[in-house]
Parts: sequence; structure tokens; C-alpha cells
Amino acid sequence: EVEVVESGGGLVQPGGSLTLSCAASGFIFRSYWMTWVRQAPGKGLEWVANIKVDGSEANYVDSVKGRFTIFRDNAKNSLYLQMNSLRAEDTAVYYCARDSTVFESFAYYDVLDIWGQGTMVTVSS
Amino acid sequence: AIQMTQSPSSLSASVGDRVTITCRASQGIRSDLGWYQQKPGKAPKLLIYAASNLQSGVPSRFSGSGSGTDFTLTISSLQPEDIATYYCLQDYSYPRTFGQGTKVEIK
Repeated sequence: EVEVVESGGGLVQPGGSLTLSCAASGFIFRSYWMTWVRQAPGKGLEWVANIKVDGSEANYVDSVKGRFTIFRDNAKNSLYLQMNSLRAEDTAVYYCARDSTVFESFAYYDVLDIWGQGTMVTVSS
Repeated sequence: AIQMTQSPSSLSASVGDRVTITCRASQGIRSDLGWYQQKPGKAPKLLIYAASNLQSGVPSRFSGSGSGTDFTLTISSLQPEDIATYYCLQDYSYPRTFGQGTKVEIK
């Protein structure tokens, strides 16, 4: 079965650090970009970051640049999100998603086609 | 960053009704847009990609259209299991951005 499973969430104090993990199975992990998306309680979805197949390129939303680092270990079929200098506004469910490229009508499109169940991060004193 | 504006923010419709949700981009994004469905307490699910292409396994009552700045998700005949919040997501440029969501309820 194709799936991704997040872990590592929890309660952390403002200014603290936390590293989330995402374990992938059922597909060739090293062939896919991967993405983190978050959702604050009662709010909408926010794209956070993604990373290239070999880890050589990453993109971030402005609000986490310089504080969060996305990285991967293809030998372990795992994706990570290292979060430093955490703020109350980082409180959210964090989802890991597979970022697939689809070729359609002579163009390429990125889709988030496999999602995990999410892991909750609470930043509070 | 490209802003994605969805409307309405919520709607209530009867079973069997035709439902339309719109998404407007702050600049042209070709057809680089997907639609996602999120049921309460669950992870999002891909419905439509490249603005109008149905993801495998998604019921044919869902359809998408549009290009450039204006996009539409249509549910041709609303079913009870379609109760969810729907989001558009542009994959034209970084950072990727979601619309704020449209909550669909049964009247």
C-alpha cells in the first residue's frame, strides 16, 4: 500500500525546536519530490516547503524561511522537517504529502497525491 | 506570492443540487491549479489537477474548468458524502498557495 506516516509532533515552548518525520512506503521514495503542508486549528491549508528528489533543492513559504529546514534520507525512505525558533503561530497539524509530476496536454503539473494523517505541533508555554 | 481567492467561503445546498466553487488567482497561472477535498478530521484528497483533469478514482460528478486567473470546481449533483471543505492550490510558482477554502454543507 502506498502511504506516508508522520510522527514527531508534540508540545514545545516558544523559541524551542522540534523535528518532524515522515516515513514513506509502497513507492520509490527517491523518485518523488516531497512536501509539507500545515493547518492551524480551525483554519485553512498552508503550503510550507518541498524538496527535490535528491535533496539538492528546497522551497519554503516566507513565514518559515530561516527557521525551518526540510531534508530527506532516501536510504531510509524518510522526509523530515526541522523546526527552530518556534512561535505560537506555528501551532498546526503538519501533513506530509507526495509531490507527483503529471504530464498532461504537453505540460507538466505538480500534484499532492498521497497524504499522511498529520501530526500535531503545539507551541505554547 | 500569488494570492488565491475562493468564493464563496461556505455554502449550503440540497442533495442533488449543482454546486459551483470559484477560485481566482492574483496573476495568470495557466492551468497550473488543483482542487482538494478535506473531510472533517481527515487529510486532504486530490480531486482535480491541471485545472480540469479528474484524478483517478474520483467520481465523475466532480469537474473543473478555467485557465489564466479564473477557475471553477463543479459538483453536478451534490451527495451527502461530499460534505467537506474544498481548496484550490496553484502549482505555477513558489511558494505554492492555497485558497482559503469553501465549506460545503447539506441544506
